[in-house]
Amino acid sequence: SAVISQKPSRDICQRGTSLTIQCQVDSQVTMMFWYRQQPGQSLTLIATANQGSEATYESGFVIDKFPISRPNLTFSTLTVSNMSPEDSSIYLCSVGAGITGELFFGEGSRLTVL
Amino acid sequence: EDKVVQSPLSLVVHEGDTVTLNCSYEVTNFRSLLWYKQEKKAPTFLFMLTSSGIEKKSGRLSSILDKKELSSILNITATQTGDSAIYLCAGDLSGNTGKLIFGQGTTLQVKP
Repeated sequence: SAVISQKPSRDICQRGTSLTIQCQVDSQVTMMFWYRQQPGQSLTLIATANQGSEATYESGFVIDKFPISRPNLTFSTLTVSNMSPEDSSIYLCSVGAGITGELFFGEGSRLTVL
Repeated sequence: EDKVVQSPLSLVVHEGDTVTLNCSYEVTNFRSLLWYKQEKKAPTFLFMLTSSGIEKKSGRLSSILDKKELSSILNITATQTGDSAIYLCAGDLSGNTGKLIFGQGTTLQVKP
């Protein structure tokens, strides 16, 4: 299984600011995925990040709010822009295991917006 | 609209009990169903089910898929306090690995 590291692990942010979350994988992967888990809720896919192309966003998520970078096959960032308390969530980076279909998650970044 | 529904939403049992968690799905282009355990932040992978009727087993945990009923169950026998967690079920869409639809989760609490 892939080893996925996320930074920061947690942060407390002020309303109106932006925060960038980093995700590092120990192997090259074609697709990386960003999920959000709001308090008491399940996981929701934000976007799929492919290296060398723009991220593909799910319904309800837009690039201006959640810009994503994917500069190489082992790294991605997700920025949460102009944060509001509703953005308080755990943000999770994930990668697939290829042909076996399993999906592995990073440790998650818990953001609290005041 | 694709959706995954889990039941019960929460469950409290005592050590040694056996529990059955349910997951039903309505997913177009269904490829597989996955179970995860979430204790703190990151969900950890338990099972991936693609074929109906074939039980997957790992220690005290087992799971099976019923494609006819569009459902799956996760069984935990001889529960321990360390089994306390949120158990998530997810459907894999269109074979596009990574694009999962998650259920609401079942919160399991195992009391000593």
